[in-house]
Amino acid sequence: DAGVTQSPTHLIKTRGQQVTLRCSPISGHKSVSWYQQVLGQGPQFIFQYYEKEERGRGNFPDRFSARQFPNYSSELNVNALLLGDSALYLCASSPPGGARSYNEQFFGPGTRLTVL
Amino acid sequence: GQQLNQSPQSMFIQEGEDVSMNCTSSSIFNTWLWYKQDPGEGPVLLIALYKAGELTSNGRLTAQFGITRKDSFLNISASIPSDVGIYFCAGQRRDSNYQLIWGAGTKLIIKP
Repeated sequence: DAGVTQSPTHLIKTRGQQVTLRCSPISGHKSVSWYQQVLGQGPQFIFQYYEKEERGRGNFPDRFSARQFPNYSSELNVNALLLGDSALYLCASSPPGGARSYNEQFFGPGTRLTVL
Repeated sequence: GQQLNQSPQSMFIQEGEDVSMNCTSSSIFNTWLWYKQDPGEGPVLLIALYKAGELTSNGRLTAQFGITRKDSFLNISASIPSDVGIYFCAGQRRDSNYQLIWGAGTKLIIKP
């Protein structure tokens, strides 16, 4: 079975631009989470979506938004990019089931965003 | 910012040695997870813990959910070269349903 896929793998933008990152979860997974990982740190939670609804949001500004589609794929949008948005953006999907399954997250390889 | 204190930051070990790392917090957690991340890849789940005092193994890896629910430990026995990477703890706080909070990672390096 294919794992979580993300596109693009790398992206270079300039300050003030907007970016859209894409994620396809593992087949059968209905929950998608987005994380930002700055070099040398652990991932920081941005959003979680389940059945197209936002289930949780981390401490990120409104410039960050996301959505989930009927096929459970997801997009993360970041507007008005800042230098500090440079990071690896990770998408993870979770299998259906009880509360425990939300935590057992399977990660994609990430999108490396560089803001110049 | 990070709310989990993970230590050590890095470890230099000889092949065959045992490794220990831990994660602590001032908050109570319902779930502790241990992940490994290799360069250019996303984290991979190693062990999940759901009960205080729980001890779970995955091959040469053993992790424990601390009795106070504020800490967790990961041990790797008889390390091998493929154990190199960054190990992260992550937890779900009692007052947060869907958000995982992560440590800053422990980088494991094997001395040649």
